[in-house]
Formats: sequence, C-alpha cells, structure tokens
Amino acid sequence: SQQGEEDPQALSIQEGENATMNCSYKTSINNLQWYRQNSGRGLVHLILIRSNEREKHSGRLRVTLDTSKKSSSLLITASRAADTASYFCATGWNNRLAFGKGNQVVVIP
Amino acid sequence: EPEVTQTPSHQVTQMGQEVILRCVPISNHLYFYWYRQILGQKVEFLVSFYNNEISEKSEIFDDQFSVERPDGSNFTLKIRSTKLEDSAMYFCASTSSGTTNSPLHFGNGTRLTVT
Repeated sequence: SQQGEEDPQALSIQEGENATMNCSYKTSINNLQWYRQNSGRGLVHLILIRSNEREKHSGRLRVTLDTSKKSSSLLITASRAADTASYFCATGWNNRLAFGKGNQVVVIP
Repeated sequence: EPEVTQTPSHQVTQMGQEVILRCVPISNHLYFYWYRQILGQKVEFLVSFYNNEISEKSEIFDDQFSVERPDGSNFTLKIRSTKLEDSAMYFCASTSSGTTNSPLHFGNGTRLTVT
C-alpha cells in the first residue's frame, strides 16, 4: 500500500534555525504532499509536489522529491515559535492519500 | 476562507453503541474522505467518496462502518457497534478534484471515546 514514512524524529531547534525532515515511500505516486498538525487540530496542507517535479518552494518551505530513491524532504527556513507542530508527509495515488507517522518539531523562542 | 466543519468535537459512547459523526465539507468540493488518528499514531485512511458512492476504502473500513451523504451538504460516518479500539480522532476532509491533483482540506476532527 502507499505509505509515506517520515524519519521518526522529534526535532527541537532554536528560533531562527532551519528544520529538515525526511520522508520515504514504497510504491508509485502521483504526488507527495506535506501537512502540518497543531496539537488537537486538523491537518493543514502546506505544499504539494507532483511526481514529475524535483523541487518546490512556498514561502519559507522547500520540498524536494527524489522518485528514484522514493524520498522527499521538507525544509523550514528561519523557523519561528509558531512553526511548532507535527509535520506529515502523504503520498497520493488513485483516490487516497496515505500519511506517514509524523515528525514533532518544537521551535524554542 | 471556506472550512470543513465537524460535529460533535467530542463524542463519548459505550461499547456496542452506534455513533454517527457528522461533517460539512466545503460546498463546491466533490470528493470526501474520512481518516482516523489514534492518539500519537499515524493518520489512517478509512474511505473516500465521490459521486454518491464509495470510491476506495481501507481494510479498517469493515462492515461496522458506513458513510452517507444524506443531503447536499452533510457527509456522515456511522459506526454500528463501537469497540474500544475505535477510540480515536476522526477527521473528515474534502477536495475539489481528487488527491491526484489537489490538497485535502481537513476539519478539526471528532474525538471519539469508547468506554
């Protein structure tokens, strides 16, 4: 089955630093998406990268996709305290989106 | 900005009881989904729904589960006879053109506690 799998990291960084998290998956995809989840809330879409794209930027976010390695990374630059959240990658195929376990990121002011 | 809304925010029920979780997707969206998240674990796909029928379902979505779009706005998930292991956050999501091309918009979830 399609599953994004993040490196099971809990990142704790200082405000202003960059945060990088990785995701690997197992089978073919149409796209890979990253979502953020604040504690007790729903998931919020951050960025979508299609299988024929290699890199995408959105504000302070940079996503890369390597389909040969079946992996993706999310970089948050110049982190802020408000970036504290769990971050999930998800792979899209047919009409389902399969999520990984998530990375907890804590940004210390 | 349009939102997906879910009610109730928290539902407590006894084992064996039926529960209905309700969702109002974004009005011009055509694809609807239910996911669940057991505390501290993965967000798990349950079912997708398009054109008034289930388009995909996971192995979790067994005969105890059903979905319905009873009118033009609501999308419901019914669990017929709840088990302790059904305790989780249940998220509804919608999108305009399926997961191939567009992101999902999630509600804030219903926390289901089965005692």
